Amino acid sequence: AQSVTQPDIHITVSEGASLELRCNYSYGATPYLFWYVQSPGQGLQLLLKYFSGDTLVQGIKGFEAEFKRSQSSFTLRKPSVHWSDAAEYFCASRRDGQNFVFGPGTRLSVLP
Amino acid sequence: DTEVTQTPKHLVMGMTNKKSLKCEQHMGHRAMYWYKQKAKKPPELMFVYSYEKLSINESVPSRFSPECPNSSLLNLHLHALQPEDSALYLCASSQGQGGNTIYFGEGSWLTVV
Repeated sequence: AQSVTQPDIHITVSEGASLELRCNYSYGATPYLFWYVQSPGQGLQLLLKYFSGDTLVQGIKGFEAEFKRSQSSFTLRKPSVHWSDAAEYFCASRRDGQNFVFGPGTRLSVLP
Repeated sequence: DTEVTQTPKHLVMGMTNKKSLKCEQHMGHRAMYWYKQKAKKPPELMFVYSYEKLSINESVPSRFSPECPNSSLLNLHLHALQPEDSALYLCASSQGQGGNTIYFGEGSWLTVV
């Protein structure tokens, strides 16, 4: 069965510090991969996606993600975190004809 | 701003009430979805409509009844709900079913009392 894991349930960083959120998927072939962000009381907003090609993808709000096939990973990064980045982050994957599979989420707290 | 619009944003209903959640998208997408999300959990798929036909029902209780009047609209009719049905209900759409990016609305917060 498809699965997506996010090893970190909760991460706290200081404002201005760099951020790295991990995501791993378990499939035979590379699925489509996504990162969504959910601010408190809001819906999910797409940050970026990877379908194929360049393994470093750029997203909105200064986020980028790196796909590594050898590690079945899709790591989200931001060089300098802002207080407004405090939110829940969901990694998700999808294969052709299949439903989305979401990871359990990583909650990001930002210290002033 | 999301291009998937959901109303109402908040709904409080009794266990004997009948209410509806509404969703609209104008992106020309042909697949629409209802998800349920409990606090601190990822969204759980409830229903998928593809080309206005129900294609997936994830064993959702019959007290939830989806309806897709046209390619832009998706409703979720609620009747005889239980307190444990209180959650955030998210509507989403994609260009087609499978292999495409899903875009979410802001959600409707439902409280069953």
